[in-house]
Amino acid sequence: DAGITQSPRHKVTETGTPVTLRCHQTENHRYMYWYRQDPGHGLRLIHYSYGVKDTDKGEVSDGYSVSRSKTEDFLLTLESATSSQTSVYFCATGQGGEPQHFGDGTRLSIL
Amino acid sequence: GEDVEQSLFLSVREGDSSVINCTYTDSSSTYLYWYKQEPGAGLQLLTYIFSNMDMKQDQRLTVLLNKKDKHLSLRIADTQTGDSAIYFCAESTTSGTYKYIFGTGTRLKVLA
Repeated sequence: DAGITQSPRHKVTETGTPVTLRCHQTENHRYMYWYRQDPGHGLRLIHYSYGVKDTDKGEVSDGYSVSRSKTEDFLLTLESATSSQTSVYFCATGQGGEPQHFGDGTRLSIL
Repeated sequence: GEDVEQSLFLSVREGDSSVINCTYTDSSSTYLYWYKQEPGAGLQLLTYIFSNMDMKQDQRLTVLLNKKDKHLSLRIADTQTGDSAIYFCAESTTSGTYKYIFGTGTRLKVLA
């Protein structure tokens, strides 16, 4: 949808390792978002970007960092993964007041 | 703070109407959205309504907004087994960053 590709789609890793998830868009949308989805919580915003090199924290940003060096790419990094970060991660893009469009998600398991 | 609430489960028979409800807290939200999530997939935008509207209809979907009670509903007419999914409502924040607050999602199960 809206030309959003998330990679990898699945990843299993160990506690304490760094992990980077990538979101790539082809729609030239200004805004990009990273969410995590957990049972009973819906989707919660981790970080978002409102332009190249412009990012800000969401409601569950602890333990995560992001970078956006190009319009089309938004990276989410877990510097030292913990089991509580096992989740499904979704990237979304938006253009001002237009609805957000979502990628297909990355299922991350941290053992 | 801002919060969006939904019931967790709904079960209906094929051919009946489904009504999924949502309450929100930010009275200054500009838009309210309904998304559908099928197993293993991302969120698909179903419909959305501007906050100055009371109702919006799109084929089998009807959205009702009661701004006074901060209540949003999604009615699916003639529900089919393919409608089985999780439905999320979301409100947009009033900040210039267009952030959304999502509800917990309602799992709709359609019985044949």
